[in-house]
Amino acid sequence: QKEVEQDPGPLSVPEGAIVSLNCTYSNSAFQYFMWYRQYSRKGPELLMYTYSSGNKEDGRFTAQVDKSSKYISLFIRDSQPSDSATYLCAMSEILIQGAQKLVFGQGTRLTINP
Amino acid sequence: GAVVSQHPSRVICKSGTSVKIECRSLDFQATTMFWYRQFPKQSLMLMATSNEGSKATYEQGVEKDKFLINHASLTLSTLTVTSAHPEDSSFYICSARDITPGKGASYEQYFGPGTRLTVT
Repeated sequence: QKEVEQDPGPLSVPEGAIVSLNCTYSNSAFQYFMWYRQYSRKGPELLMYTYSSGNKEDGRFTAQVDKSSKYISLFIRDSQPSDSATYLCAMSEILIQGAQKLVFGQGTRLTINP
Repeated sequence: GAVVSQHPSRVICKSGTSVKIECRSLDFQATTMFWYRQFPKQSLMLMATSNEGSKATYEQGVEKDKFLINHASLTLSTLTVTSAHPEDSSFYICSARDITPGKGASYEQYFGPGTRLTVT
C-alpha cells in the first residue's frame, strides 16, 4: 500500500463547476499537508498548505484535512480553463531538524472545459 | 517569490555517458535541496536530500554511485547521472528551501522547472 493514494483521473468538468480533489494516506505521523499544481513539463507550484487538521481558504481554493479519517481535500470553486493542470497532494512529518521530506500522491489530471 | 532554475531543461544523451543537471536558487539561499524523479503520469519520487557542505542522503533503492549529488554552495546543487541507460530517462526536478530568517516557513519547498532526460 502506498503511503499516499490519489486518484490519477483524468477528471474533466465544465467551466464554473466546483471541483473536488482528494487524497488518503496511511501514515498517522503526517502533520503538514500541501497541494501543488503542475502544468505540463513544468515543476510543481505550491497552492495550499495546511498544518494538522482543519480548513483553509484562499480565493477560489479551499483545503480540508481530516486526520481522523486520514483524508484531505482540495476544492476549486468557479473553475476556469486556466485551472487545467495536474494537482498533487503532498504531506510530511514533523522533523526535529532539517527539512521535511515530502511524500507525494500520484497527481490528478484536471481539465476544465470552456 | 523564490525562484529555482534548472539547467539544462532538456538533454538527450547516448547510453553509457554521464549527464550533469544543475539546480540553482536564484534569489535566496538554500541549505537543503531535494532531487526528485518523475516518470510519465506518475508522482514525484524523492531520490535524495542534498545538504550544503555535506554528503547527500539517498532514499532507499537509489544508487548513490549512479546518481552523484554535489551541493557545493548555498545556491547550487548538481545531480550527475553516471553511465546513463534508457531506464534512467525521466523528468528530474529539484526543490530548495529558503533559509533566510523570517522568510519561508519550514514546510515550503520551491521547485525548479525540471529537466527532461532522454537516454538513447
